[in-house]
Amino acid sequence: DQQVKQNSPSLSVQEGRISILNCDYTNSMFDYFLWYKKYPAEGPTFLISISSIKDKNEDGRFTVFLNKSAKHLSLHIVPSQPGDSAVYFCAATTPGANNLFFGTGTRLTVIP
Amino acid sequence: KAGVTQTPRYLIKTRGQQVTLSCSPISGHRSVSWYQQTPGQGLQFLFEYFSETQRNKGNFPGRFSGRQFSNSRSEMNVSTLELGDSALYLCASSPDSGGGGYTFGSGTRLTVV
Repeated sequence: DQQVKQNSPSLSVQEGRISILNCDYTNSMFDYFLWYKKYPAEGPTFLISISSIKDKNEDGRFTVFLNKSAKHLSLHIVPSQPGDSAVYFCAATTPGANNLFFGTGTRLTVIP
Repeated sequence: KAGVTQTPRYLIKTRGQQVTLSCSPISGHRSVSWYQQTPGQGLQFLFEYFSETQRNKGNFPGRFSGRQFSNSRSEMNVSTLELGDSALYLCASSPDSGGGGYTFGSGTRLTVV
């Protein structure tokens, strides 16, 4: 039972353009959402997060949008750079929980 | 500041054997979680330890077990290995529970033949 879903396994974007990665969830108890970036042979690294009381959080080139009514969040990367090429995982957690529920990941390729 | 250290990085085992993986968290972090990553399944939560106590467990068979020591280092054990156990096993540490704040290690790549 995949409670966090990333329906696009891969995405290719030209350098300088916007990358939009999407994530859907089914558990209405999730109150905190995170995006992780993963390079091959490395562990995931934290990128950006958002609390369910917000609908947008921005950090430099990265912005996460949360639509609670649609149970949907997205990560926008502007402008995209070749170094952004990696697998991006969406994750969520419930109040007081000590584990994350991850999506299956989206492989982003930024073409120079 | 040293990150999360997992050993070994790579491991090849035969079906039916058992294996122990190790994780040293960031100094001062008391929570250690384990995840299994397989193609198409993303990261699946195995279990979480805090102050030597397992606080949460994912939906894995009893062949998967773990423990945490007084210095917060953690080990996970898989007994009677199956081919389907081949995966990247990731350890994450955090100062405490909830709200993200997890730092992952580079993982142990286990191959069962």
